[in-house]
Amino acid sequence: DGGITQSPKYLFRKEGQNVTLSCEQNLNHDAMYWYRQDPGQGLRLIYYSQIVNDFQKGDIAEGYSVSREKKESFPLTVTSAQKNPTAFYLCASSMGAFNEKLFFGSGTQLSVL
Amino acid sequence: SQQGEEDPQALSIQEGENATMNCSYKTSINNLQWYRQNSGRGLVHLILIRSNEREKHSGRLRVTLDTSKKSSSLLITASRAADTASYFCATVPISGGYNKLIFGAGTRLAVHP
Repeated sequence: DGGITQSPKYLFRKEGQNVTLSCEQNLNHDAMYWYRQDPGQGLRLIYYSQIVNDFQKGDIAEGYSVSREKKESFPLTVTSAQKNPTAFYLCASSMGAFNEKLFFGSGTQLSVL
Repeated sequence: SQQGEEDPQALSIQEGENATMNCSYKTSINNLQWYRQNSGRGLVHLILIRSNEREKHSGRLRVTLDTSKKSSSLLITASRAADTASYFCATVPISGGYNKLIFGAGTRLAVHP
């Protein structure tokens, strides 16, 4: 089945540690996105990529990094510089027309130990 | 800053009743989309309405768009317990330097059997 796979579903970060969230899609979509969702709130854009080897900062990129070495993969690293990382992280993708219908993964809940 | 704001924040109804959720936005848009999110899961795209459209239907869903009032509504007819979820509107502003999808904080819908 085509879709977006995020892993792990739950992740715990220790003080000063970097952690990486995985996002893989087999929809052959050009564009991929990372959003952060805090309880009771909407989604905020962290990073997005329209094409392989290219990505742009969203509204809340500080403390995060990404790479887009393959069309299928868009991993997100939450660095130790992100002081409030506890949130639900959602990866999404869309076809070539940027910001048309988005397909979402099932999310990763990141918590701080 | 949030472009879209949903109203009400929470809605509780009985099965069989209709549910209406509203979304207001601030700047001119290319299109407006509605998404659904079950608790702890990713978002699912419901419907997209473009700025030159006034109404769209999909099954039990009816979406209207009033660009003069910068508002949209989502109507779910004959609601079911399975419709219990959070519903988000998202807009693609025309201006802003880059094309992105901005989400509101959502309406939490509870449908009671």
